[in-house]
This record gives sequence, structure tokens and C-alpha cells, in this order.
Amino acid sequence: GQNIDQPTEMTATEGAIVQINCTYQTSGFNGLFWYQQHAGEAPTFLSYNVLDGLEEKGRFSSFLSRSKGYSYLLLKELQMKDSASYLCAAPRGGYNKLIFGAGTRLAVHP
Amino acid sequence: DGGITQSPKYLFRKEGQNVTLSCEQNLNHDAMYWYRQDPGQGLRLIYYSQIVNDFQKGDIAEGYSVSREKKESFPLTVTSAQKNPTAFYLCASSIEAGGLSTDTQYFGPGTRLTVL
Repeated sequence: GQNIDQPTEMTATEGAIVQINCTYQTSGFNGLFWYQQHAGEAPTFLSYNVLDGLEEKGRFSSFLSRSKGYSYLLLKELQMKDSASYLCAAPRGGYNKLIFGAGTRLAVHP
Repeated sequence: DGGITQSPKYLFRKEGQNVTLSCEQNLNHDAMYWYRQDPGQGLRLIYYSQIVNDFQKGDIAEGYSVSREKKESFPLTVTSAQKNPTAFYLCASSIEAGGLSTDTQYFGPGTRLTVL
């Protein structure tokens, strides 16, 4: 079957680093997306990895291992505004249809 | 400003009534999508459209209907046949770039529907 798993909740301290993991099982793998979603708002695009390795974008980095079906999102120098849900999503076989994980709710504390 | 708009932001409906949620985009994207989001669950695909005058059912299409008469617009009707319609509804769009990569989907602000 096709499935995406990520932790339900995480907490971290302002200024720290946090890693949010995502494991996936999809047919015809074609990349993995990370989105950020603040409560009651739309998801906003963070990253798209299609090749193995780490991609860095400022304070946020995303890693992919296709052989392990594994990705993580790394957030550095955490700020209070980073408190949000982080959604992992992967395309399933065929067209641009995404399957989403349930999201990881991150709470950043002072 | 390019973007995706959804209206209304909040919508209340009585049981047995149909209601239509609006989604408009001026990004010149070919593809549009409707998702439903419930607490503790991932986004679930209701319908999607790759091109004008064509659309396909997603994973949870029962009780919903759509139309795609214009490239910019993809309204979703929640019918009385939908058993549990209270949810947060998100519209998204993506460019049809073709090739091997998956196109990034960009989301509208969402409509929160509550059935009274």
C-alpha cells in the first residue's frame, strides 16, 4: 500500500535545532514535499526533494534517502513563529496526486 | 498579485442543504485540486482537474461535485449526500510543467465548513 508516517507532535526550545522525520511507501516514487501549516491557515510550500541528499534553504533543510524511504526536515535557530504543523507529502503512481502524512505539530517554547 | 483565493472563509450550512465553495486562481495554472482536512488526518483528495472541462475523482469524491468551465475557477459543491461535511476545505493549483518531476501545489487560504 501507499503510506506516509510522521510523528504526531514535537516540542523544542527557541534557538534550538529540531529534526522532523518522515517515512513513506509509495509506488513510482517521484520526489517528496514538505509544507508548513499554521493553525487555521493554508499549507505553504517549504521544499521538494527528488534526489538523495540534503538541500538547505536558510534555516530550513530537507534530506532524502530514496533507498530507505526516509526524509527529514531540519529546522535551525528555532523561532516562536516556527510553531506550526509540518506536512510530508509524496506523489503516488501516475499524475500529480499527492498523498499526505497527518502532519507533525511542532511547539516552540521560550 | 498572483495567488489562489477561496471564499467564504467560514461557512455554515444546515443539514440537507447543498453549498458551493469558490476557488479562483490567477497563476495561469492548468491543474487544480480540492482537499479536505480533518483533525489528526492528512489532507485527502476530493477531486482534481488537469485541464478545462475535465476533472477526475480523488479518494473521497462521494457527496461532492465540481466543475471546471474556466481555467481560473474550480468550484466545489458539497451536497446533502455527504454524510460528514464539517471540515476544512483546501483548494490548490499547480502548473503542468510535464517532465519527470512532480509539480508543486500551491494552496488557497481554505474554507471552514460547519454543518449545524
